[in-house]
Amino acid sequence: EAGVTQFPSHSVIEKGQTVTLRCDPISGHDNLYWYRRVMGKEIKFLLHFVKESKQDESGMPNNRFLAERTGGTYSTLKVQPAELEDSGVYFCASSPHLSLSTDTQYFGPGTRLTVL
Amino acid sequence: KNQVEQSPQSLIILEGKNCTLQCNYTVSPFSNLRWYKQDTGRGPVSLTIMTFSENTKSNGRYTATLDADTKQSSLHITASQLSDSASYICVVSANPRGSTLGRLYFGRGTQLTVWP
Repeated sequence: EAGVTQFPSHSVIEKGQTVTLRCDPISGHDNLYWYRRVMGKEIKFLLHFVKESKQDESGMPNNRFLAERTGGTYSTLKVQPAELEDSGVYFCASSPHLSLSTDTQYFGPGTRLTVL
Repeated sequence: KNQVEQSPQSLIILEGKNCTLQCNYTVSPFSNLRWYKQDTGRGPVSLTIMTFSENTKSNGRYTATLDADTKQSSLHITASQLSDSASYICVVSANPRGSTLGRLYFGRGTQLTVWP
């Protein structure tokens, strides 16, 4: 069974540009999460999809970040326009059940974003 | 404020030796606590999960303990191997009353290096 995949693995862009990150969850997983780890800090929650619906987006830092999950399969996270403080590693995770707190989340390898 | 603190920040041990990593948390209301292992360039992988009523749980050479009264957890690694070199992240799930949503709070991790 394929795990959570993310694309690209690395992205280097200039301040003001737009970047779109993609996450393909494990097939059949209804729950999809986005997280971010800024250098030197802990991983922090960004948002949670249940199928195609945003269940919780309280962790999104500002309106420059837009997440979508059309059709309830893969998800994209767009940053427009990117700022220097957006640099970090963006992780995607998925889990099968409907928001059970004991459900294990399976993480992707992350996308390392560098904004110059 | 929901926080997870881990110590030490980094640790170097010789192959075959044991070690113990610490985690203190202030997350409330507490749902469960997980230890994740993150290899370089990969996403975190769950090692153990413990709920409020569990004091200890083992997974091979990994043994996690939980004291829900003092809000402390430890991860003990026995007979370390070179492949144990990784970041070990303590993750606590909060379960808001009346909801099955489990927001995850991450520590910054302990970077373990095992030398031959």
